[in-house]
This record gives sequence, structure tokens and C-alpha cells, in this order.
Amino acid sequence: GAVVSQHPSWVICKSGTSVKIECRSLDFQATTMFWYRQFPKQSLMLMATSNEGSKATYEQGVEKDKFLINHASLTLSTLTVTSAHPEDSSFYICSARAPGLAGRSYNEQFFGPGTRLTVL
Amino acid sequence: GESVGLHLPTLSVQEGDNSIINCAYSNSASDYFIWYKQESGKGPQFIIDIRSNMDKRQGQRVTVLLNKTVKHLSLQIAATQPGDSAVYFCAENTWGGGNKLTFGTGTQLKVEL
Repeated sequence: GAVVSQHPSWVICKSGTSVKIECRSLDFQATTMFWYRQFPKQSLMLMATSNEGSKATYEQGVEKDKFLINHASLTLSTLTVTSAHPEDSSFYICSARAPGLAGRSYNEQFFGPGTRLTVL
Repeated sequence: GESVGLHLPTLSVQEGDNSIINCAYSNSASDYFIWYKQESGKGPQFIIDIRSNMDKRQGQRVTVLLNKTVKHLSLQIAATQPGDSAVYFCAENTWGGGNKLTFGTGTQLKVEL
């Protein structure tokens, strides 16, 4: 249980285009979803926190107009990288939290498999 | 704390030996800690967690130790196997900090046959 999927698993796009990444909780409802970015040989850096039906909370230094987050339902959050540039190339990972999920910690986050974005 | 470097610390162990991976966390107010395993090109995989009111927790072949006095966390892997080769991250959750996770730098574990 507590499976999170991401789509696509990898994407290559041209500079200036926009890319949408989906994050889905497959077998549970996620009250909160998180988006992380990870550069090679580095740790995960939190970009934003989103709660279903409300605006996302962005971490300091993350441009909200460039990284659009929509959390329209309890099982789906999307991250859109607008006007992507080569420096946006990274591994994007989402996670979902479901307080009250039987047998799991209240604060536990369930991670997706990640999306590799390459901007040419 | 947050990762700022381009080089992951590496721990090399022989197959069958025990591994100990260390982590220094940053916030004394953190109340929940998790160890994750990340294989190349994949998302983090939960290994074990511990609450701040505990100092030790054991799982299958893994043990997490928490020393709040010096803000130190360790992950012990018994009888390390080739499949344990991965990058290991500690993460701290701070309730007062928005109830979000802050990941440590990470340690690359290499298991030699």
C-alpha cells in the first residue's frame, strides 16, 4: 500500500517550452503533496508543499510563476515547469502524506519514482 | 541540514560486514527522523524511522540510533549485502517548521564482494 506514481518517468524538451509532471497517490488519499528537486550527487531539496484545494507554499528561492503547482484532488498534484531552460534540467520527485493511514506514522511521506527532465 | 556539496561521502564495506552510516541533523526541535535508501534513477525508499522520544529502534537487519544531545543519527545495517549498495539519506521532520522534511547530504554505500 501507499504507492505514489509519477508521469512521465523522463522527458526531454526544448528550451522555452513548458513541461507538466503528474504525481498520483494510487491507493490512498493524500492531504498534502510535496515536490522536490534533486541535482546529480546532491540531496533532495524541497520546492513546495501543496494541500488539496489550496495554493501551494513555495520554499525560499523557488519561483512560483515558473514552477506552477496544482493539487486539484486528493490523489493528483501536477508540477508545470514553464519556459524551461537547461538549468531546470533535474530529477523531480514528488511525495504524498496521508495522516491516519493505518499502521504508518502521521508524518511519513511516500515518495514517487521521480521524473528526469532534460532541457535542450 | 541542507546539502550543499557536489561530492557524496562514500562508505565502502565488504559483503557480510556491518555498515554504520552517520548523520548530523540541524534542528533541535525536530521530532521525527527517517532513513531513506535511494538507488540510481529512483525515488527514495523508506527504511526505518524513529521519533524523538526514542533513542533506538530496530527493524529487519537495520537499527537506527538517535542521540539528541549531540543531534546525531546513525543507521546500522547488519550483514551488508550487494543489494544494499545505494545512497542513504537521513531526513528530519520539524513540526514547528511547517511539518516538512529536511534531507541530509547523503552517503554513498558501496558493498564490495
